[in-house]
Amino acid sequence: ETGVTQTPRHLVMGMTNKKSLKCEQHLGHNAMYWYKQSAKKPLELMFVYNFKEQTENNSVPSRFSPECPNSSHLFLHLHTLQPEDSALYLCASSQVGEGTTSINTEAFFGQGTRLTVV
Amino acid sequence: GQQVMQIPQYQHVQEGEDFTTYCNSSTTLSNIQWYKQRPGGHPVFLIQLVKSGEVKKQKRLTFQFGEAKKNSSLHITATQTTDVGTYFCAGSTSGTYKYIFGTGTRLKVLA
Repeated sequence: ETGVTQTPRHLVMGMTNKKSLKCEQHLGHNAMYWYKQSAKKPLELMFVYNFKEQTENNSVPSRFSPECPNSSHLFLHLHTLQPEDSALYLCASSQVGEGTTSINTEAFFGQGTRLTVV
Repeated sequence: GQQVMQIPQYQHVQEGEDFTTYCNSSTTLSNIQWYKQRPGGHPVFLIQLVKSGEVKKQKRLTFQFGEAKKNSSLHITATQTTDVGTYFCAGSTSGTYKYIFGTGTRLKVLA
């Protein structure tokens, strides 16, 4: 148990479906992340939220829509996905300091959601 | 954009042999972290290096951070079957709140 919980663990969805992935962290961290892990591009950073504000969007297609209602919860809304979007989606959290000289502390990962798009 | 490469991509060793993976960043880092992901699992933090030239040890694992803070290595002495998994380095730059993960090295240990 890492303190970061992701649901569901497995998801199969059609290309016309709409679904959401949920992540909850119980560590009191102030930053949360979505990563995509596939065979072709391991651990690809998708989104970063710091203090509930999105600070990074790594050129992710608009069919992926993140939502961070508070510092403990992070969602990834999915719609009209493609088969190549099938992957393991990992959520992580960390405690980051403020300022340009701050050092990022370790990231804690959830168990991931294994997504299959058919 | 910032890239972090690791070599080798795969490594098969006999149990008891040593193993090393190398990590290279396209930009200077403020710190580097190492993670291990077991098959079917999620990445788990191993260690963080911050200082130029820093060396840290955890039992059979030795971690180094290069003088220029652009490269790092992980060395495992006398591998065991429990060392099986993928090892990732992750680089950070101060004030960016993000970790750029390396491509990973998948280690297989043959008993």
